[in-house]
Amino acid sequence: DVKVTQSSRYLVKRTGEKVFLECVQDMDHENMFWYRQDPGLGLRLIYFSYDVKMKEKGDIPEGYSVSREKKERFSLILESASTNQTSMYLCASRGEGGYTFGSGTRLTVV
Amino acid sequence: GDSVTQMEGPVTLSEEAFLTINCTYTATGYPSLFWYVQYPGEGLQLLLKATKADDKGSNKGFEATYRKETTSFHLEKGSVQVSDSAVYFCALVNTGFQKLVFGTGTRLLVSP
Repeated sequence: DVKVTQSSRYLVKRTGEKVFLECVQDMDHENMFWYRQDPGLGLRLIYFSYDVKMKEKGDIPEGYSVSREKKERFSLILESASTNQTSMYLCASRGEGGYTFGSGTRLTVV
Repeated sequence: GDSVTQMEGPVTLSEEAFLTINCTYTATGYPSLFWYVQYPGEGLQLLLKATKADDKGSNKGFEATYRKETTSFHLEKGSVQVSDSAVYFCALVNTGFQKLVFGTGTRLLVSP
């Protein structure tokens, strides 16, 4: 089975900090995604990547950036965390069998 | 753009009751449709899917039929269990790059 591993389940960061959320997949998938999940809003796409060093903005990229230096790793970066970025963040990868999601990182910005 | 609308929750049922969660979509072309489930503290798992009109997806007693004429993909289960308590997301993938577009999610609470 494809595994998508997010390095932290829970994070608490201070306003203004630079925050890195890490995601690793083990099936050599080219396509990886970062979503944000909020009650009443569902999942919204932040960024995606279809190859190493390639990235595309999703629907809500403001305040975020990403890095894909290796095929298996896709990092989400909050350049200067703000309280409105408190949320659940879900990483996914996509192969021929469809999408596989990680367990999520619940980020609280105080 | 593409969008998915699903019923507000929470849906509260007793064990063995019949479940329907409504989902409608707006999309150009011929999208594939999905239901994902998220159990407490976990990520999303694919529950079922349908790739063309009139297809029926099914898994674990859940079913949904792709209705192009009504642009719907309603989730049903004949007899729910307490273990079905979770958040259910309807989603679509359209042609091209195939980004998943999600509905807002519906929380299901099943009591004994």
